Amino acid sequence: LAKTTQPISMDSYEGQEVNITCSHNNIATNDYITWYQQFPSQGPRFIIQGYKTKVTNEVASLFIPADRKSSTLSLPRVSLSDTAVYYCLVGDITDSWGKLQFGAGTQVVVTP
Amino acid sequence: EPEVTQTPSHQVTQMGQEVILRCVPISNHLYFYWYRQILGQKVEFLVSFYNNEISEKSEIFDDQFSVERPDGSNFTLKIRSTKLEDSAMYFCASSTPYNEQFFGPGTRLTVL
Repeated sequence: LAKTTQPISMDSYEGQEVNITCSHNNIATNDYITWYQQFPSQGPRFIIQGYKTKVTNEVASLFIPADRKSSTLSLPRVSLSDTAVYYCLVGDITDSWGKLQFGAGTQVVVTP
Repeated sequence: EPEVTQTPSHQVTQMGQEVILRCVPISNHLYFYWYRQILGQKVEFLVSFYNNEISEKSEIFDDQFSVERPDGSNFTLKIRSTKLEDSAMYFCASSTPYNEQFFGPGTRLTVL
């Protein structure tokens, strides 16, 4: 599984856009990029997944450049409830029976 | 929205005792997982389970651990003889093939 690097923490104010960039220089051809969110004392929750270009859902957008060596999770107009740890995972979703390997993630703190 | 449930939410046990953590995965899911998260650390994969057998397990999942799907709805994790270092949040997850994993709320295991 490709190694990922993301910032340890990010601070933001309510209403701002938060962009978290994840580096994955060794991404393989069959790898997808997946982001999960985790609130304190809760299980991780799937946010978004993509392979290339841009993916958008009701929660976030995921931007993936052509070389796929990095990706950016964009959270529009964050609120206090978006305070959480965000994990970037890279792997072949058809491999290893879907085992997820989490890193340390990015702690996002949103303040009023 | 269907969800993964786990019981109990908190389990306190004495070192050397056996514990069974229970999970009810989402009903049409075929893949089941256990993860754990020691306080302040990252989420770690323990085991994946498909078609009534273990698909993959991590180094953490030694002979003290076992999993079972005793009926059509429950998925259990048993720790035969708990150690202090087994204290952690244990998360159950389930998924359909090649799709995101849905995590339960976790069981906090405290070994005294």
